[in-house]
Amino acid sequence: DAGVIQSPRHEVTEMGQEVTLRCKPISGHDYLFWYRQTMMRGLELLIYFNNNVPIDDSGMPEDRFSAKMPNASFSTLKIQPSEPRDSAVYFCASSFGKTSESRQFTQYFGPGTRLTVL
Amino acid sequence: GESVGLHLPTLSVQEGDNSIINCAYSNSASDYFIWYKQESGKGPQFIIDIRSNMDKRQGQRVTVLLNKTVKHLSLQIAATQPGDSAVYFCAEAPRGQGAQKLVFGQGTRLTINP
Repeated sequence: DAGVIQSPRHEVTEMGQEVTLRCKPISGHDYLFWYRQTMMRGLELLIYFNNNVPIDDSGMPEDRFSAKMPNASFSTLKIQPSEPRDSAVYFCASSFGKTSESRQFTQYFGPGTRLTVL
Repeated sequence: GESVGLHLPTLSVQEGDNSIINCAYSNSASDYFIWYKQESGKGPQFIIDIRSNMDKRQGQRVTVLLNKTVKHLSLQIAATQPGDSAVYFCAEAPRGQGAQKLVFGQGTRLTINP
């Protein structure tokens, strides 16, 4: 398996522009998570999905952030408009979630997207 | 003004020595615990896990110990190598609804001295 795939790996944009981050979870995983990591705040959960349905978006900073999962193999995190304080590394992770699996809670992370907003 | 960032605990060890990284978790009802390793420029990578009905689990060069009485988790790395340099995170999964939502610790930076 290729693992969780994220694109782009690096994104540099100007304040006010729309940014879209993409994620392909591991095939067969039922859960997908979006995290943000900064030196100031560490690793923060933004939102997670179960079977393509958003379950908990309480970590989404504000209305400028939105996430979708149109199918089991693709999710996007969009920031519109972007601001310099959104600069961070954004990770996508997925997990099995099935009780029959010994590692049902283990989340497997992608390589991340490093976002810089100027 | 000066920004204030997370001050990660740091552990420095000599190559070849054993390392012990500690973590205090918050929820006595947590059922499952995981250690992750994050190398510079990469995402967190699964190392080893342990369920609450165990107090010790061994992997390749790594051992996780769980002390539920004091809500403490530790990761022991035997014969550390330069490639072990990374930030190590513990994570806990609360029992019941929301168990999929792992709670991560702040992390410990491990530095291996040659």
